[in-house]
Order: sequence, then structure tokens, then C-alpha cells
Amino acid sequence: EAGVAQSPRYKIIEKRQSVAFWCNPISGHATLYWYQQILGQGPKLLIQFQNNGVVDDSQLPKDRFSAERLKGVDSTLKIQPAKLEDSAVYLCASSYLGVAGNTIYFGEGSWLTVV
Amino acid sequence: GNSVTQMEGPVTLSEEAFLTINCTYTATGYPSLFWYVQYPGEGLQLLLKATKADDKGSNKGFEATYRKETTSFHLEKGSVQVSDSAVYFCALSLPGDNYGQNFVFGPGTRLSVLP
Repeated sequence: EAGVAQSPRYKIIEKRQSVAFWCNPISGHATLYWYQQILGQGPKLLIQFQNNGVVDDSQLPKDRFSAERLKGVDSTLKIQPAKLEDSAVYLCASSYLGVAGNTIYFGEGSWLTVV
Repeated sequence: GNSVTQMEGPVTLSEEAFLTINCTYTATGYPSLFWYVQYPGEGLQLLLKATKADDKGSNKGFEATYRKETTSFHLEKGSVQVSDSAVYFCALSLPGDNYGQNFVFGPGTRLSVLP
């Protein structure tokens, strides 16, 4: 079974530039998550989708971050304009259903450095 | 609010030593509990989980028991190997709004095993 796919794996941009990350979840998984992981910390949820609807985006900095999941499959996370503090790993994850106890599966992450 | 606390790292052990990484949680309701592992340059992988009190999760020689009375989910392994060197994250999940689930991660504990 193919895992969660993410691209690009690595990106270096200057502050105030924009960047987009793409995620393809495991086939059949209705729930998709984007997490931000700053070096030395645990992942922090940015946004959660159930199919193509947003379940939770309470921690998404909406002035600069946006995400969409058209057609309920692939998702894109965009940052515009980027700040230095956005340097982190952006992890996409998916689960069959977004119910408690369900395992979520992570991709390898997209590593962003803002200089 | 819901939170997860882990013992601070790094933890450095010799090969074949006994491992314990402490994890305690605070949650409203009855969470499911997880241990995830992150190897260098990779995303998080599920190590084991438990969905109700007194359940024991186990995988690859690692074990953790869901202790409701002490709100703990300590990770143990009888004999660690160099290949176990990684960062370990304790996490909980609870039902969220709108048919979602809230996943909360601890800050992670780095384990280094020396030959």
C-alpha cells in the first residue's frame, strides 16, 4: 500500500516569498491533516480536512497560510508571504476516518528554510 | 486543555540496556494513546497504540500500558539496539467537533543508543 506522498521534500526561500506544498494521502483516507513541526518540538496541527471540508483550522495563521483539498483527495498548503519563523517541517498525514483511536499516517515531510 | 508531557531528553543508553520513556497526559474524556517514532530525515511512524484503560500496545519489542489511574502511557523496551536511536513522541487523540479527532503530541524524547 502506498504511503502519504509529499513534495517537494526540501525548499529554501527568502522571506516574503511564497511557497506551496503538495500532499497525496493514502488511497481511501477521508481525513487529511497538515502539521507544522519546528525543530526540537512536537507536531502542531495547522488544519484538518474531512473529505474536502475543513474540520479544524483554529491554529492556521490565516493571514499568510492557506490550504485546500479540492475533490477530497490531494491537498495543497501555501504560505505567502513567508517569515523566518515559518522555517519548519510541514507534515501531511491522513487517516481512514477522523475518529478518536484511528491511526494517522504521516508522509516524510516537506522541509522549509526561510532565509 | 488537553496536553501530553514527556521526560526530557536526550536519553543516552548503551546497547542492550533497558529503556523507559515516561509519558503522562491531561485530557477531558477518555483519549486513545499513541507512541510515534521519528528517524532522522523522516516523518513520524506509528510505533504502538492503546484505545482504552489497561490496554497494552506492543510492537518491535516496545510496550506501553494505558494507565488511567495515573494518566500515564510509559514506553518500555527490555534491550535497546543502536537502530532504535530516534525521537519518540507520545500522543493522544480525542473526539473533536464535526466528526473530527483532536490529536495532541508531546514534545518528543530523543534516544541515542551507543554500541
